[in-house]
Amino acid sequence: TQLLEQSPQFLSIQEGENLTVYCNSSSVFSSLQWYRQEPGEGPVLLVTVVTGGEVKKLKRLTFQFGDARKDSSLHITAAQTGDTGLYLCAGVTGTASKLTFGTGTRLQVTL
Amino acid sequence: ETGVTQTPRHLVMGMTNKKSLKCEQHLGHNAMYWYKQSAKKPLELMFVYNFKEQTENNSVPSRFSPECPNSSHLFLHLHTLQPEDSALYLCASRMNTGELFFGEGSRLTVL
Repeated sequence: TQLLEQSPQFLSIQEGENLTVYCNSSSVFSSLQWYRQEPGEGPVLLVTVVTGGEVKKLKRLTFQFGDARKDSSLHITAAQTGDTGLYLCAGVTGTASKLTFGTGTRLQVTL
Repeated sequence: ETGVTQTPRHLVMGMTNKKSLKCEQHLGHNAMYWYKQSAKKPLELMFVYNFKEQTENNSVPSRFSPECPNSSHLFLHLHTLQPEDSALYLCASRMNTGELFFGEGSRLTVL
């Protein structure tokens, strides 16, 4: 069974701070997706990284896929209250239907 | 408007009741999923349907019965559930690139 561990599990920071969320596995993935889930809603796709070592930026969010395609990180610069939510990574193996979700990181950004 | 609509959003049922969750998407996607999201657990894949055919059943108890009459609709029929089945049930459709488009979920409470 593939396992994707995310750390930290919980993070509470003030607006303006920077943070990094990690997604680690012993398995190799063909691609990795990041989602954000706000309270009372379903997860929403943020980005997909495909190539080992790839870095993608989405405004203040920077996503990196590890060289060996076993891990990924999400860095948020100058966090805002709107960044609050549950961040989920999901690894894809084999066919596109095989997604393994991570354990999640719950982020709370306060004023 | 998420593109994937789930009803009802909230459901309370007794252990002897029979109820159904409904999911509808008009995104033109051919694959649909049911996931279970419980507190402190990663998203658990339950069922996958491709072109109306079930392609994955993740060892789900028979008290959960899925139905996919066409590529746009997915149901989850519930009967004789247990309190531990209380969770957020998420439906998703899959884009050709492998990313998932989630509904807002149906919050189920079993008394």
